[in-house]
Amino acid sequence: QVQLVQSGAEVKKPGASVKVSCKASGYTFTSYGISWVRQAPGQGLEWMGWISAYNGNTNYAQKLQGRVTVTTDTSTSTTYMELRSLRSDDTAVYYCARVGDYSGSYFFDLWGRGTLVTVSS
Amino acid sequence: EIVLTQSPGTLSLSPGERATLSCRASQSVSSSYLAWYQQKPGQAPRLLIYGASTRATGIPDRFSGSGSATDFTLTISRLEPEDFAVYYCQQYGGSPLTFGGGTKVEIK
Repeated sequence: QVQLVQSGAEVKKPGASVKVSCKASGYTFTSYGISWVRQAPGQGLEWMGWISAYNGNTNYAQKLQGRVTVTTDTSTSTTYMELRSLRSDDTAVYYCARVGDYSGSYFFDLWGRGTLVTVSS
Repeated sequence: EIVLTQSPGTLSLSPGERATLSCRASQSVSSSYLAWYQQKPGQAPRLLIYGASTRATGIPDRFSGSGSATDFTLTISRLEPEDFAVYYCQQYGGSPLTFGGGTKVEIK
């Protein structure tokens, strides 16, 4: 079945890094892109970045430039999001979501269940 | 960056009533690249509408989207108990992709 399965919850200390995975199944992985969206407790949705599973092109939110890296492994249909230099305000649920791979298709039609990342000393 | 402002923040309605949610953009959204999502507590968002007015697969026809340029509307014609949730708009006409702050539809 068509789904995105994310890795489990993480607890990290300030200054550390976290790497969250998102494994796709049930569709042609390289025909789409994957975006990462986060949601702080009780807050709205924030887009973090995007990767094309076809050619690996990326685009990141300027706010997170330099701290976030999204990569993809086509052999396992898995996408990874690494966030470095963690701060307390990075505490959030991190979602991966499928998007199209061309202009005009960057809406999120399939979502993972989310991964809670808690940053606490 | 295109800023999306959703109103009202909270909508208190009864089952069977009509819900009208607004999403206003700080600049024109090219080609009506505007989507709507529904999110229930503890769940991931679910795509309802894309292209301002196209329902996603499996979405009931009581959900409809309209609008263009800077003003967009999500209408739920008759609220069902399962429709009480938070709704977000999202534009994908420019980078960065941005979301509105959400409208909570609660039971009156």
